Amino acid sequence: ETGVTQTPRHLVMGMTNKKSLKCEQHLGHNAMYWYKQSAKKPLELMFVYSLEERVENNSVPSRFSPECPNSSHLFLHLHTLQPEDSALYLCASSQDGTGGGHSYEQYFGPGTRLTVT
Amino acid sequence: DAKTTQPPSMDCAEGRAANLPCNHSTISGNEYVYWYRQIHSQGPQYIIHGLKNNETNEMASLIITEDRKSSTLILPHATLRDTAVYYCIVHHFNKFYFGSGTKLNVKP
Repeated sequence: ETGVTQTPRHLVMGMTNKKSLKCEQHLGHNAMYWYKQSAKKPLELMFVYSLEERVENNSVPSRFSPECPNSSHLFLHLHTLQPEDSALYLCASSQDGTGGGHSYEQYFGPGTRLTVT
Repeated sequence: DAKTTQPPSMDCAEGRAANLPCNHSTISGNEYVYWYRQIHSQGPQYIIHGLKNNETNEMASLIITEDRKSSTLILPHATLRDTAVYYCIVHHFNKFYFGSGTKLNVKP
């Protein structure tokens, strides 16, 4: 148990559906992240939120839309996905290190296994 | 961000030390070396990190060479539960970029 929870743990959706992934952290962190892990590929950083502001968007298609309403919650809204978007989606949180130049470890949730049919 | 190079797989006998190498020859002065592991599609688990000095915690030891171009993660007494993919990452501010990692197989 890392203090980062993700729901749902498994999701099957059609290409015309709209769904949302939810992440919640109970660690008092102020930075949150979305990663994608496709089969047999390294983790890919998708989005970074620091102090509730999006600070990184790694050329992610617009069919993925993140939302960070407060420092404890992060959502990933999904619409008109493609079968190649099937993957494990991981959320992580950490203290924000950009201001003071410090480096802090990230804590990951268990992931949502997404299958697009 | 600096790239890292790790062997794709290693074997280790249960109870022996596992030494996992990582090359990061383009690391810059303010980038930290982090190690994570991922057990069978679970979320990655933080192990240890360091900047210049060697570090030790309850899970592992991290040895960083003086020129910081490589490091070694040491699991002092590997168990079957340590079988996982181990990632070496160089980290600056909030950005982690994961490579392919080393699949460690701990065998009885």
